[in-house]
Amino acid sequence: TQLLEQSPQFLSIQEGENLTVYCNSSSVFSSLQWYRQEPGEGPVLLVTVVTGGEVKKLKRLTFQFGDARKDSSLHITAAQPGDTGLYLCAGARGAQKLVFGQGTRLTINP
Amino acid sequence: NAGVMQNPRHLVRRRGQEARLRCSPMKGHSHVYWYRQLPEEGLKFMVYLQKENIIDESGMPKERFSAEFPKEGPSILRIQQVVRGDSAAYFCASSTYGTSGTDTQYFGPGTRLTVL
Repeated sequence: TQLLEQSPQFLSIQEGENLTVYCNSSSVFSSLQWYRQEPGEGPVLLVTVVTGGEVKKLKRLTFQFGDARKDSSLHITAAQPGDTGLYLCAGARGAQKLVFGQGTRLTINP
Repeated sequence: NAGVMQNPRHLVRRRGQEARLRCSPMKGHSHVYWYRQLPEEGLKFMVYLQKENIIDESGMPKERFSAEFPKEGPSILRIQQVVRGDSAAYFCASSTYGTSGTDTQYFGPGTRLTVL
């Protein structure tokens, strides 16, 4: 059973455009983490959001945790080719296992 | 501060052989998690361990798979009598939950298992 629905699964846009990736669930999480994974490597942590309504910014990336802690979004402003990669959201309940979304494979075309 | 270390990075086994995957958590981390990623799929939880204890093995296949995290040394994921369907990337993650209260898990580079 997939508890985290991530969308879109594939996204290809031109350099300079903005984009948003969504991560939705019917379950409440104590925290939600966003990772980026390069081919042949492990997921690298981008951010952890903990508080409902929390917004975190990492340069051109903005992460938001829903008020009810069931959903999250990743917004990239003025995308660059270096942003190309697989983005994963993962929900946690305390020290328990992470539940991952299917991932969004992002391609930024020069 | 060294990150999570996994070895080997690549492992090739023939059907019926055993595979042993090792994971050394980040310094100060006492919680270890194993995940499996099949080609073109997301990561799926397998097992969660603390030192000398298996906390949650709900994602482990019932047969042929086992995991341990001894008092000394790395965590080991062991797959006996491998089959082609075991071919996947296996990732280990560690966290400090219980000490600082954070849920954040940090991942190793993974072991890519190929079963011939």
